[in-house]
Amino acid sequence: GENVEQHPSTLSVQEGDSAVIKCTYSDSASNYFPWYKQELGKGPQLIIDIRSNVGEKKDQRIAVTLNKTAKHFSLHITETQPEDSAVYFCAASMNNNNDMRFGAGTRLTVKP
Amino acid sequence: DTGVSQDPRHKITKRGQNVTFRCDPISEHNRLYWYRQTLGQGPEFLTYFQNEAQLEKSRLLSDRFSAERPKGSFSTLEIQRTEQGDSAMYLCASSDQGTGNQPQHFGDGTRLSIL
Repeated sequence: GENVEQHPSTLSVQEGDSAVIKCTYSDSASNYFPWYKQELGKGPQLIIDIRSNVGEKKDQRIAVTLNKTAKHFSLHITETQPEDSAVYFCAASMNNNNDMRFGAGTRLTVKP
Repeated sequence: DTGVSQDPRHKITKRGQNVTFRCDPISEHNRLYWYRQTLGQGPEFLTYFQNEAQLEKSRLLSDRFSAERPKGSFSTLEIQRTEQGDSAMYLCASSDQGTGNQPQHFGDGTRLSIL
């Protein structure tokens, strides 16, 4: 089955700097890659997703890139703010996303 | 609030007891998912419904676990004869049915603690 690896497990940046989180997946049939932000005591919140027919997607300060050949995708957050501090999860799934596999998460800390 | 709603938010029980959790999905979503999340890990898929039909179950879903979605709206997840290892956050998500993958939207979970 699909295996998703995520790194780094922790990331600390200064406010205003950029943050990059990387994930790799094992199954070339995976074609949907969402990113979630999870704050303490809350469920994961979808922040951006990308499908395998595009290589990059951007939404304000957040962007995701996908390299299908290398089977890796990355989350980029620019101009980080303290409110961006949370745990971020990448995930991968195939058609109908019945069995979505998550990475182990990255704890991002943005220092004011 | 039109998001995914889960009840209760917290459940503390003794080992061996049965527990039941409820999930109310986003009203127009016909797909519903249950996940389990342990500390420091990402969510792990347990089971999936399309309308009232349970279409897929993970091997993580032992025979002590049962999920239902009788009318295709809310769902319940029951754990019988709870064990220490069942302590986790149980998350519910829902999605629309469309062409290809649709975004899954999560509730805030039920945190289960087994004494």
